[in-house]
Amino acid sequence: GDSVTQMEGPVTLSEEAFLTINCTYTATGYPSLFWYVQYPGEGLQLLLKATKADDKGSNKGFEATYRKETTSFHLEKGSVQVSDSAVYFCALSDQGDAGKSTFGDGTTLTVKP
Amino acid sequence: DAGVTQSPTHLIKTRGQQVTLRCSPKSGHDTVSWYQQALGQGPQFIFQYYEEEERQRGNFPDRFSGHQFPNYSSELNVNALLLGDSALYLCASSSGGSVHEQYFGPGTRLTVT
Repeated sequence: GDSVTQMEGPVTLSEEAFLTINCTYTATGYPSLFWYVQYPGEGLQLLLKATKADDKGSNKGFEATYRKETTSFHLEKGSVQVSDSAVYFCALSDQGDAGKSTFGDGTTLTVKP
Repeated sequence: DAGVTQSPTHLIKTRGQQVTLRCSPKSGHDTVSWYQQALGQGPQFIFQYYEEEERQRGNFPDRFSGHQFPNYSSELNVNALLLGDSALYLCASSSGGSVHEQYFGPGTRLTVT
């Protein structure tokens, strides 16, 4: 079945540092890929998405590129802020199973001033 | 424009009891998906409702059931509660049975004692 593997956390960075959170996936079809963010006490928010190979999703300074050859969708940001502290989830939705999303276990990011 | 709303916010139940959680989708959305998020883990897909029918189901027992009403709101019912059912239950809404633009509610925290 489908699965998503994220780098283990937690990740602690200083403000303005470069962020990478690794995500790899296994899927039977041609999935769409997503990054969600969950701030403390809140539900998940869609951060960015990519629907086909080589697409780059971007939002709020975050970027991720759909790499079919390495089955990866790593999240990057050039300069993190304290307000980026949250839990980040990588997820996929197989096109043939559009009603279901499969999530990774999340990576907790803490940014210190 | 109200987003996805869920009720109640928190709930404490005893083993063996039954519980009903409620979700109202974002305006304009007709599809509701339910997820269970255990502490420290990613959301696990329970099922999806579209056009008042269960369209997709994850690996959850029949104790978990649901319903969608003509106004697209939805309920999640869990019978014979177990301690392991303690989790954050998330509702997500989208359009047309797809999850490509999925909006999450803040969740209902269920504690089973």
